[in-house]
Amino acid sequence: EPEVTQTPSHQVTQMGQEVILRCVPISNHLYFYWYRQILGQKVEFLVSFYNNEISEKSEIFDDQFSVERPDGSNFTLKIRSTKLEDSAMYFCASRIYPGTEAFFGQGTRLTVV
Amino acid sequence: AQRVTQPEKLLSVFKGAPVELKCNYSYSGSPELFWYVQYSRQRLQLLLRHISRESIKGFTADLNKGETSFHLKKPFAQEEDSAMYYCALEGAGSSNTGKLIFGQGTTLQVKP
Repeated sequence: EPEVTQTPSHQVTQMGQEVILRCVPISNHLYFYWYRQILGQKVEFLVSFYNNEISEKSEIFDDQFSVERPDGSNFTLKIRSTKLEDSAMYFCASRIYPGTEAFFGQGTRLTVV
Repeated sequence: AQRVTQPEKLLSVFKGAPVELKCNYSYSGSPELFWYVQYSRQRLQLLLRHISRESIKGFTADLNKGETSFHLKKPFAQEEDSAMYYCALEGAGSSNTGKLIFGQGTTLQVKP
């Protein structure tokens, strides 16, 4: 069964460093998302991406964040200058179109020290 | 504002007992509602969605627009149902980007 894959599973980085979280969505899916979950809190929407551009972003998704789909298969989330409060589990998801099942990756645990 | 509320952080029942995981939502329109489940060390996965009106693994959920609720029910809990359950809302309409708004999640613990 096809699945969304995320790498790495765990990333530790120093405050102020740039990180790139990687995702390979399911191949025939058209809509891509990043969510995050701070420990003990709810899963929060960060950004949606369709047709090679951001279709919606949350207040969390400020100028420090960016996404891209550089090669038609990978979907990346970059945090330019990490802060302690960026420590969270980051989930990538993809779906064929809105209203259908969203498939989630296993997540990347980002720890900023 | 769009919001999903799951009032219980933890629900603990004995095997064979009925289960009801509560979900209330706030949305000015006709949303799509989903239940996602996360078993231990596994990824989030769809359990069911209101438009399909299915029963999956014995679970059902009915959308009650009057009470703005989408409670998840199962008549007889099994130990393998132990997991974290998330209720999620998606807006409808032509501008819908498909983002999901999640509740806080409820941990269901089924004791033998």
